[in-house]
Order: sequence, then structure tokens, then C-alpha cells
Amino acid sequence: DQQVKQNSPSLSVQEGRISILNCDYTNSMFDYFLWYKKYPAEGPTFLISISSIKDKNEDGRFTVFLNKSAKHLSLHIVPSQPGDSAVYFCADNAGNNRKLIWGLGTSLAVNP
Amino acid sequence: DTGVSQNPRHKITKRGQNVTFRCDPISEHNRLYWYRQTLGQGPEFLTYFQNEAQLEKSRLLSDRFSAERPKGSFSTLEIQRTEQGDSAMYLCASSSSGSSEPQHFGDGTRLSIL
Repeated sequence: DQQVKQNSPSLSVQEGRISILNCDYTNSMFDYFLWYKKYPAEGPTFLISISSIKDKNEDGRFTVFLNKSAKHLSLHIVPSQPGDSAVYFCADNAGNNRKLIWGLGTSLAVNP
Repeated sequence: DTGVSQNPRHKITKRGQNVTFRCDPISEHNRLYWYRQTLGQGPEFLTYFQNEAQLEKSRLLSDRFSAERPKGSFSTLEIQRTEQGDSAMYLCASSSSGSSEPQHFGDGTRLSIL
């Protein structure tokens, strides 16, 4: 069974510093990974994704790194801003996008 | 682009009642998904439509749950004979075709069972 694990339930960072959120997965060669941000009382908002054929994808302040041998990915936010405070979810679409398998999320607090 | 729209935003009902939620996807998206999220958990997949065809259903979708997408546009999720354990946020998402297209979510319907 596919699994996605986010082992840190929370993270606190100072404004302007780097936030690093981690995610581990159990599957496959052809998966596609996505990061979503979620504010209270709102649906998840897509942030950035990465194909399993790449090891890095960058979009502005957000960079996702994929280490296939370790089955690990990380989201870097730099510089962190107070508005980045939210719950961040890692998700795996198993390569076919019929469904997303989600981690439990990491709650990020960026302190001014 | 108005995004994915879900109605109602909140639903409070007594145990044993039937409820129906509606999702209007982004207009050009042919894929539609339903998920359920409880506190402290990530969303759990319920079902997936491509156009009007329901192509995948989770084991979580018991026989009390039914979803439709009759004309390949909006979708409804019905829960019959609601139970306490059905209390959750029900999320709808849509995407274009393609294995790398991100799913875009609505703000959900929060269901509370009294």
C-alpha cells in the first residue's frame, strides 16, 4: 500500500530564515509529488510539484528537492514570511492522478 | 476562472438523516475528485470521475455513500442514514487530463452530525 509520511507535526521558524518541510514515501518509480498549503477553513492550495524523473523544481521562494534513493522529498521556503504560516501537505499521485495519497501535514509557524 | 465551488459550506444534521453536497469544478476540467478530511489527518480519497464516468472508488465509500456527475460537469455526494463518524470536511477537487496536472480544491463542506 502506498504511504506518504510527514514525521514532523509542527515547525517554527523566524521570519526571513529558511523553512524546510520533509516528506517520505514508500512507492514507485513513476510517481508525481505535490505540495499543498492549507489555511484554516479553506481547501488545500496547490504550491509546487515534482516529477520522479527530476531531483529539483523551483518556483520563486519555493523549491522542492527529491532524493529517489532515500524516497524522500523536502520543500524549502526561503525567505520565510509570516503569511506562510499554514499546514503543509505532501501528496503522491501514484503517476496516474486518479487519486492523491496524503501525509498528515506539518504546521508551519513563521514568527515576525 | 472562479475556482472549484462547494455548497453548502456547513451542514448540521441529526444522525440518521440524508445529506447531499454539491461541487462545481473549474469549467474546463474533465476530472473530478471527492476527499474526506478529519481533524489532524490528511485528506482521504473517496472517489474519482473522468467526465461522467466514475472510474475509482475507495473502500471508505460504503453503500451509504453515493456520488454522481450526471453531465460531466457538477457532481453531488450523498450520504444516507448519517452516522456520528461521518462528521468531517468533505473536499472536492478538479483537474485537467494528464498524469501531472495538479488537483485544485474547493473550500469544502463541513458536516456535523448531532
